[in-house]
Order: sequence, then structure tokens, then C-alpha cells
Amino acid sequence: EIVLTQSPGTLSLSPGERATLSCRASQSVSSSFLAWYQQKPGQAPRLLLYGASIRATGIPDRFSGSGSGTDFTLTIGRLEPEDFAVYYCQPYGSSRTFGQGTKVEIK
Amino acid sequence: EVQLMDSGGGLVQPGGSLRLSCAAAGFTFSTYAMSWVRQAPGKGLEWVSAITGSGGDTYHADSVKGRFTISRDNARNTLYLQMNSLRAEDTALYFCVKGSAASRPYFFDSWGQGTLVTVSS
Repeated sequence: EIVLTQSPGTLSLSPGERATLSCRASQSVSSSFLAWYQQKPGQAPRLLLYGASIRATGIPDRFSGSGSGTDFTLTIGRLEPEDFAVYYCQPYGSSRTFGQGTKVEIK
Repeated sequence: EVQLMDSGGGLVQPGGSLRLSCAAAGFTFSTYAMSWVRQAPGKGLEWVSAITGSGGDTYHADSVKGRFTISRDNARNTLYLQMNSLRAEDTALYFCVKGSAASRPYFFDSWGQGTLVTVSS
């Protein structure tokens, strides 16, 4: 079973700043089958990216993803107030587990 | 528009049973895998169970194997989760989730709002 480590656990930033979130897998993620989800308080998660870098429908282009193998990154270009949330990664090719999440909070 | 309407949660005593349902609309239900994902209070996401589009194959996390059973009725566009021998650690918000394909690999492209299961005496 793939073990995922997301870092940092919490990221404290101001609106307008750039956020960089990391997701590291214990073994290689096949064919970049890596997804990112966003969850706001009191809401269900929603899909942000799949295939490591492909934005889901309706996701603004300030969200971008990169990486391959065992190391993946989610970047939020300029934080908007609605982007403060918890972000989870998931390697969906050979696993259904989620990372433990990174909380992006307002500094 | 995809709609997933979770229901069936509630308060149940340890050792009890509960059946969750998820009514789906807005897509061809039988052509997509479905899953249940849960979230304990203040915790992260935990995948629980999955079923292929045809219903022919099911999968369960080790934490629920032998106690939970996922099923679907493609004629009724409904997903189920039968939960038996419930434990306190099963207390969570349970989300019905649509996969992006009939079978693996698929990501989770639509989520229900969740139904709360509380296991307590």
C-alpha cells in the first residue's frame, strides 16, 4: 500500500501570496495517476486536479500541479480568500488512500 | 449536473447495523464506479469501499472488511453501504463518491454532501 506524506501540515499565508504544497509517495505513482482535492469547512471535498496536472472542470488557472514518480506539487499562484482550505492528494492508479492533508490558513 | 444524495446516517449503538443509501442523478449510473469515503470528526479522508460500474467487483478497506458491504442497484441509480458490527471508531461523515470511470484507474470527480454516522451507547 502506498503511503503518502503531505507537507507542510499547515501553511500560513496572506491573500495574494503563492502557496506550494507537497505530496510524497512511498513508491512510484503509476502514469502520474495523482489527484488533488480541496475541502472547505463544512463542505464535501471537490476535485481540483487529476493526472498530476490536469485541472478539473471549473477550476481556475491559478491552481497548477506538477511532479512524477514519488514527488508531486500543488501550486496556488495567488491565494484568493476562497482558497483557504484543506488540500488532499490521492494516487488513484494503484491505491485509494489519501494523504493526511495540508491546511492553508490565513496568516 | 451530477447529483449524489446521501442518506441513512444516524445514531446507533456499538454492535448495531445501519444501511446508507446514495441516490444518483445526472449521469449514466451504471457506467461509473462508485465509492464511499468517510471522515471522522476533525480528521482526514479515509476511503472505505468501492464497487465497479457493473457491480461485479467490490473492494473494502481493511478497517471495515467483513463488517461493511457495498452494493448498487443500477436500475434504481442507487448505491448502498450495509454496515454491521459497528464500532465507536466508525463514527464519521460518510460521503458517496462518483468515480471518473467504470473501473480502475479512476479519480473521484463528484461527491455527495455526506451523511453522519454516530456509534455510541
